[in-house]
Amino acid sequence: AQSVTQPDIHITVSEGASLELRCNYSYGATPYLFWYVQSPGQGLQLLLKYFSGDTLVQGIKGFEAEFKRSQSSFNLRKPSVHWSDAAEYFCAVGRTGTASKLTFGTGTRLQVTL
Amino acid sequence: DGGITQSPKYLFRKEGQNVTLSCEQNLNHDAMYWYRQDPGQGLRLIYYSQIVNDFQKGDIAEGYSVSREKKESFPLTVTSAQKNPTAFYLCASRGDRSYEQYFGPGTRLTVT
Repeated sequence: AQSVTQPDIHITVSEGASLELRCNYSYGATPYLFWYVQSPGQGLQLLLKYFSGDTLVQGIKGFEAEFKRSQSSFNLRKPSVHWSDAAEYFCAVGRTGTASKLTFGTGTRLQVTL
Repeated sequence: DGGITQSPKYLFRKEGQNVTLSCEQNLNHDAMYWYRQDPGQGLRLIYYSQIVNDFQKGDIAEGYSVSREKKESFPLTVTSAQKNPTAFYLCASRGDRSYEQYFGPGTRLTVT
């Protein structure tokens, strides 16, 4: 069965500092991977996705993620964090089959200090 | 404006009552999903539907029911059999030939 691990429950960074959120997955085939962001009391917004091809993918709001098959990782990065990036971030892996069900990690809450 | 709407945003019920959460999309998506979100547990799949008049149980379907009579609508009923119904409920949809899901704003259900 597929699973997603986000080892950091809570991360605090200073505004302007770089950010890396970790995501490790367990899946028997080539996965398709996603990062979503959620502001308090809101739905999830898709930041970026990886299906195949270039292992470095660019997303919205200046985020990028790199797929590393050898490490089963799909870490999210941003070179310079803005205060508005404070939110909860979820990594998800897509399952095979036409239903395209997603398995989510437990999330990483990002706090940004000014 | 295309998107997914969920109503109401906040819902309060007494224990023992059934309650139905609304989810509507105008994205012309075939597939729709219901998730439950609890603090520290991420999202868990309750039910999903790939086409009108068809739906399947997800990982935590006990105590919930759904219907899919129209392509744009996928209501979720939280029954009195659900032991811990207080949670944040998210609806999502997915277009044909795509893998990503798009989410509605959610409904926070509180049962006392």
